[in-house]
Amino acid sequence: EAGVAQSPRYKIIEKRQSVAFWCNPISGHATLYWYQQILGQGPKLLIQFQNNGVVDDSQLPKDRFSAERLKGVDSTLKIQPAKLEDSAVYLCASSLEVDRGRQDTQYFGPGTRLTVL
Amino acid sequence: AQTVTQSQPEMSVQEAETVTLSCTYDTSESDYYLFWYKQPPSRQMILVIRQEAYKQQNATENRFSVNFQKAAKSFSLKISDSQLGDAAMYFCAYRSADYGGSQGNLIFGKGTKLSVKP
Repeated sequence: EAGVAQSPRYKIIEKRQSVAFWCNPISGHATLYWYQQILGQGPKLLIQFQNNGVVDDSQLPKDRFSAERLKGVDSTLKIQPAKLEDSAVYLCASSLEVDRGRQDTQYFGPGTRLTVL
Repeated sequence: AQTVTQSQPEMSVQEAETVTLSCTYDTSESDYYLFWYKQPPSRQMILVIRQEAYKQQNATENRFSVNFQKAAKSFSLKISDSQLGDAAMYFCAYRSADYGGSQGNLIFGKGTKLSVKP
């Protein structure tokens, strides 16, 4: 079974430029998550999708970050314009389903390391 | 809001020996899940073990086991017979079982870097 795919693996940009990351979850997984992992810290949730609807985006800096999940499969996360503090690893994860009383494992992709100069 | 604290930024263990990584958490909820994730240098996060708060029995997965103390809000990971491949960052994570708010959101600690000496 193929895992969560992400691209690119690395990206270096100047501040104020824009950047986009792509994620392809495990086939059949309804729930998709984007996490931001700053060096020396644990991942922090940015946004969660259930199929193609947003479940939680309370920690997404909406003035510069946007995300979409077309047709409930692939997802893109965009930053425009980027700031120095956006330098981090962006992790995508997916799970089969999230439902009351049910627990499903989140499977993570390899991440995209973003450096903003 | 829930928080997860890992007080050991780095730990070291000799190959074949046992090491325990500490984790404490803060929550007012009674039903939740706890996890240990491993993140090798390649950065792919892998689930090591999970514990349901309503279960009193500690979870075990081969060489990995947990000591879950619900009243103390403590969730430590014990790695027995340590192997070189166990070297990685280990993250403790919390997830609410209440889906009224954030559904499925994992709250992570800052991690513990484990080194294994040959």
